Order: sequence, then C-alpha cells, then structure tokens
Amino acid sequence: DQQVKQNSPSLSVQEGRISILNCDYTNSMFDYFLWYKKYPAEGPTFLISISSIKDKNEDGRFTVFLNKSAKHLSLHIVPSQPGDSAVYFCAATDSWGKFQFGAGTQVVVTP
Amino acid sequence: SQTIHQWPATLVQPVGSPLSLECTVEGTSNPNLYWYRQAAGRGLQLLFYSVGIGQISSEVPQNLSASRPQDRQFILSSKKLLLSDSGFYLCAWQGQNTEAFFGQGTRLTVV
Repeated sequence: DQQVKQNSPSLSVQEGRISILNCDYTNSMFDYFLWYKKYPAEGPTFLISISSIKDKNEDGRFTVFLNKSAKHLSLHIVPSQPGDSAVYFCAATDSWGKFQFGAGTQVVVTP
Repeated sequence: SQTIHQWPATLVQPVGSPLSLECTVEGTSNPNLYWYRQAAGRGLQLLFYSVGIGQISSEVPQNLSASRPQDRQFILSSKKLLLSDSGFYLCAWQGQNTEAFFGQGTRLTVV
C-alpha cells in the first residue's frame, strides 16, 4: 500500500521558470515531510522539510507547501536552473519513525 | 561529523550466487539504519530497517536478508540471487529526530 504518492513521473520546465512538484499522502499520522533530490548513480540528498504544524517552509529557491486537510504537499523551485535536473522524492514520517517515499518525479530543466 | 560508507559501488553477479553489501556509519551512536532499493522506473522501496544491534525489521517478503552485527554496521545479504534482485541499493542512517542520510548506493546487476 503506497502511503506517499507522486503521480507525475516527469516534469519538463524551462530554465528560469517555476517547477512545481506534487505529493499526496494517505496516512494522517504523518507529521513530518521531506523532499530529497537524487542524481543518477548517487544516493538521495536532503533538500527541505516541513513539520505538520506549519504550512510553508522556504529555503532559498525552494519552498515547500503543506495542505494537511487535503493531505497534499508541493515543492516549488524558482527560478529553475539546469543543475536542478534530477529525480525528486517526497517522503513522510510519523514521529521520526520509518520514512515512506514516493515514486519520484524526474525534473528536466531545459535551456 | 557523521559519514556513511557503502560498498561496493557497482556489482555484477550471476544468478544463484550469494550477495553481501556492507554499510557503515561514522560519527554517531545508535542510529536507525535502513536498506532501500530503487528499481528501474520505481521509487525507493524500504527493504529493512534496524533500531539497534541484532534488531531487524523486514518490510517486504523477498529473497534478501539483513543483519546488524555492530551498532554502526548494516549488511544486506542473499544466499542465491535472482534476476529480479537487480537494482540500485541504498543504505541510510537516521539520528534522533533527524532526516535520513543516504550512502552513495550500490548498482547491482544480476546476470
């Protein structure tokens, strides 16, 4: 049973524009959400996180929004840069227990 | 600072051969340790996690096993590899109330 879902397997965006990645979850016990970025043949690296007590967290070009009532979160990257081309994983955890990951979204930033 | 080592980086093994992937963590004590697999076109699937020495939880039934002989050592094994075991295997550690940190991964190809 997939508790964290990323329904868009890929996203193509022009350099300088906004990238919006979406993630839905089903477990209402999740209280911490994270985004990871992964390049080919490398391990994922932590990007940004948000606690369930917040609805927005911003770090430079990256902003994560959380809508608890809809069980939905999104990652905004603005402006998108070529180095942002990677697979992005959404993850969720319940009280810092096991992490559940989504299937990932491949982002391609074009010139 | 904490570091995680995972080896080998790539591995080609024949069907029916054994497997042993090793992961070690430095700079932290009593971490939660994880083994994930990323199969082609799929997300990160949690295989095993461990909260302490000798304590292993399996998430999915499969041809693999895990062991934690020391606090900062996590081993993924198989007695007889199947073609379907091919994938990208990732070890991760997590401290108290922190995000998970991943190793560089092992690309396993079963031929």
